Parts: sequence; structure tokens; C-alpha cells
Amino acid sequence: AQRVTQPEKLLSVFKGAPVELKCNYSYSGSPELFWYVQYSRQRLQLLLRHISRESIKGFTADLNKGETSFHLKKPFAQEEDSAMYYCALESHTGTASKLTFGTGTRLQVTL
Amino acid sequence: DTGVSQDPRHKITKRGQNVTFRCDPISEHNRLYWYRQTLGQGPEFLTYFQNEAQLEKSRLLSDRFSAERPKGSFSTLEIQRTEQGDSAMYLCASSPWARVAYEQYFGPGTRLTVT
Repeated sequence: AQRVTQPEKLLSVFKGAPVELKCNYSYSGSPELFWYVQYSRQRLQLLLRHISRESIKGFTADLNKGETSFHLKKPFAQEEDSAMYYCALESHTGTASKLTFGTGTRLQVTL
Repeated sequence: DTGVSQDPRHKITKRGQNVTFRCDPISEHNRLYWYRQTLGQGPEFLTYFQNEAQLEKSRLLSDRFSAERPKGSFSTLEIQRTEQGDSAMYLCASSPWARVAYEQYFGPGTRLTVT
């Protein structure tokens, strides 16, 4: 069975400090990993996915299959980065697919 | 608004009552998902539709839960004989068909409180 672990419930950093939100996964297949974000009073939305190898809002995430990790990083935190971040793993059964989410990490950026 | 919509946004019901939630996906999306989220947890998968076919159901989806997607458009999630443990945020998401790794677009959710 697949599992996603986010060990930190809360990460508090100062503005301008580097950010690393940890995510580890367990999956027997080829993993497809995502980071979703939920800003205050907004719906859950995609931040980035590993397959795209893109940087969104300064965030990047590298899939490390050896360590089964997909940590989210940003070199300089901004106040507007304060939000709830969820790591998610996509798995497939035949033509069906689903996301398995971690428990989430709340990022708090303070002045 | 062309995003995923859910109705109602909030529902308070007494234990033992039946409730039904509706989800309207983005119009060209043929994949539709239901998730449940409780306090302090991430969303948990409940069920998946491809067009009108329900292709996967989680073991979380007890016999009291049923979901439909007639004609492959909107979907409904019904909970019969609600229990206090059913109190949660119910999220709907949709995506277009793609082989893998496509973004799921989430609705605002329906918050259910069972008293």
C-alpha cells in the first residue's frame, strides 16, 4: 500500500530564510508526486509536480528515489508563502487513479 | 466561475439522518474524485469516476456511503444514517483524462457536522 509521510505539522521560519518541507513516500510502483497548497480561505490547488521539473513561486522539489523523498524547497521565504502544504502520491489501479496525501505541514513565515 | 463547485458548503445534521452532497466538475473533465478530510489530516480518497463509471472505491466507503455520476456530469455523494464520525470536510476534484500525473482541480468542499 502507498503511504506519504510529512513529519512536521508546523514549520515556522523568518522572512528571507530558506524553507524545506519534508516528504517521504512508500510505493511499490513508479511514483508520481505532487505538492498541493492551501492558502487561507482558499481551495486546495496544485503547486508543482515532479514530472514537470518546474519551479513555481520559487519552490522546487526533487524526487529522490533512493531516499524515497520529495522535499519542497525555497531559498528565501516570503510572507505570502504562509499556507498549508500537502505532499501527494498518485497511484493507479488499471485505468483508475487516486492521490494519497500526507497529513500536511503548515508553513508560517514571520517578519 | 468555471472551477469545481460543491453544494452545500456547510451541512449540519442530526445523527441518523441521511445527507446528500453535490459536485459539479469542470465541464470538460471526465475524471471525478471524492475525498474526505478530517481535522489535522490530509484528504483521504473515497471514490473515483471516469465518466459515469465508478472505477474505484476506498475501504473507507462503508455501505452507508453511495456515490453516483449519472450521464458523466455532476456527481452526488449520499451518506445514510449519519454517525458523528462522519463529521468531516468532503472534497470533490476533477481532472481531464491523461495517462499520468495530471493536476486535480479541487472544489471548496462541503463541511458536514453530525450532532
